[in-house]
Amino acid sequence: AQSVSQHNHHVILSEAASLELGCNYSYGGTVNLFWYVQYPGQHLQLLLKYFSGDPLVKGIKGFEAEFIKSKFSFNLRKPSVQWSDTAEYFCAVNYQANNDMRFGAGTRLTVKP
Amino acid sequence: DAGVTQSPTHLIKTRGQQVTLRCSPISGHKSVSWYQQVLGQGPQFIFQYYEKEERGRGNFPDRFSARQFPNYSSELNVNALLLGDSALYLCASSYNWGGGPDEQFFGPGTRLTVL
Repeated sequence: AQSVSQHNHHVILSEAASLELGCNYSYGGTVNLFWYVQYPGQHLQLLLKYFSGDPLVKGIKGFEAEFIKSKFSFNLRKPSVQWSDTAEYFCAVNYQANNDMRFGAGTRLTVKP
Repeated sequence: DAGVTQSPTHLIKTRGQQVTLRCSPISGHKSVSWYQQVLGQGPQFIFQYYEKEERGRGNFPDRFSARQFPNYSSELNVNALLLGDSALYLCASSYNWGGGPDEQFFGPGTRLTVL
């Protein structure tokens, strides 16, 4: 079955620390990849997306993600987190074969000032 | 510009009842998708509509149905409610998902509680 795994349930970092959130998905043919963020009290919003081309994609607020096809991974990174990055982060995969969109369970990031 | 709007904000129903949730996409967007988000989990895909046609369906029972109107707004209907249907129901719109991927914009959701 098509699925998306986010291995970290809750990550706690201090400001200026580097961040990497893992995302793996099951094989299902051609995929499109997304990271969404939900700040406290706000809607889900797109951080970045990968459809094709350069596997290293840059998003808003200094976030980037790398698509490694051989590992079925799309990890999210940020070199230096800020307190304002405290939020829940969701990895999502669109399986083009059946237009099924799968989200991971989410990773809650807490950044201590 | 107004974002995706959903109504109602909150809803309380009892088991066995039926519920209709509504979504208005961003102006100009032709695709609407529906998701169910249970507390502590990521959104689960229910339906996707583009140009009033169903283009994708998740693994939900037939009690769940949806439709899209000529103005691209959408309704999600759930019949014979179960306690397990209690969740946040999210609507997302995008300009074009007919032939490929596109960024989705999410609404605030409707919180459904089934007693």
